[in-house]
Amino acid sequence: DIQMTQSPSSVSASVGDRVTITCRASQGISSWLAWYQQEPGKAPKLLIYAASTLQSGVPSRFSGSGSGTDFTLTISSLQPEDFATYYCQQANSFPLTFGGGTKVEIK
Amino acid sequence: QLQLQESGPGLVKPSETLSLTCTVSGDSIRSSSYYWGWIRQPPGKGLEWIGSIYYSGSTFYSPSLKSRVTITVDTSKNQFFLRLTSVTAADTAVYYCARPGPGTVTGWFDSWGQGNLVTVSS
Repeated sequence: DIQMTQSPSSVSASVGDRVTITCRASQGISSWLAWYQQEPGKAPKLLIYAASTLQSGVPSRFSGSGSGTDFTLTISSLQPEDFATYYCQQANSFPLTFGGGTKVEIK
Repeated sequence: QLQLQESGPGLVKPSETLSLTCTVSGDSIRSSSYYWGWIRQPPGKGLEWIGSIYYSGSTFYSPSLKSRVTITVDTSKNQFFLRLTSVTAADTAVYYCARPGPGTVTGWFDSWGQGNLVTVSS
C-alpha cells in the first residue's frame, strides 16, 4: 500500500496569510494526487486533482504542485471560508489512500 | 445533476452486519465507466477508502477490510451496496458513497453523498 503523510497536522493562521500544506507518498505516484477540503459535518470537496489541476468552481487562491513523492497545497491568501480540514489522496493505484489531514484554524 | 444518496440503519449491534445502499441519480452506473466508491470517516478522524465497484461487478477492496467487506451493484435500480460483517465499535463512522472524476475512472472523487452515520453499539 502507498502511505500518504501530511504535514503539519494543524496550522493556525490569520485571514490573508499564505498557507502551505505538504503531502509525501511512500513511493512515486507521478501526478496521481488529489486535494480535498472538508468542513465540519460535510462531505469532502475536491479542490485539486492531477496534483495541480484546479477543480471547476474552486477559487484561484488554491494551487497544487509536485510530482513523484512530494506534493504541496498552497492557499495564497486565506479567507474566512477556508478554515477547514484538508486531505490529500493518492489515486495511482488501489488501495486508494488518504493523508491524515491538516486542520487550518483561526489564529 | 448528479446526486448520490446513502441510506441504511444508523445503529448496528456489535458482531452484526452493516448494510448500506447508495442510490445514484443524474448518471447511469451501467453506462458510465466509473469505479463507484465507498469511503468512511470515524468521528473526529480521517478518511478511509473502503472499496470500489464497476458496473460489471468488478471490485477492489481495502486490504484491512477485505475479509469483512462486500460491495455489489444493481444497475437496474442504479444502486450499489456496502456490506460489512462482524462489526465492532471501531466501525462506527460516517459512510460516504462517491463517484470518481474528473480525469479518472477510479481515482479521486468529485461527487459525494451527504454521508450516513452508522453507530455500532448494543
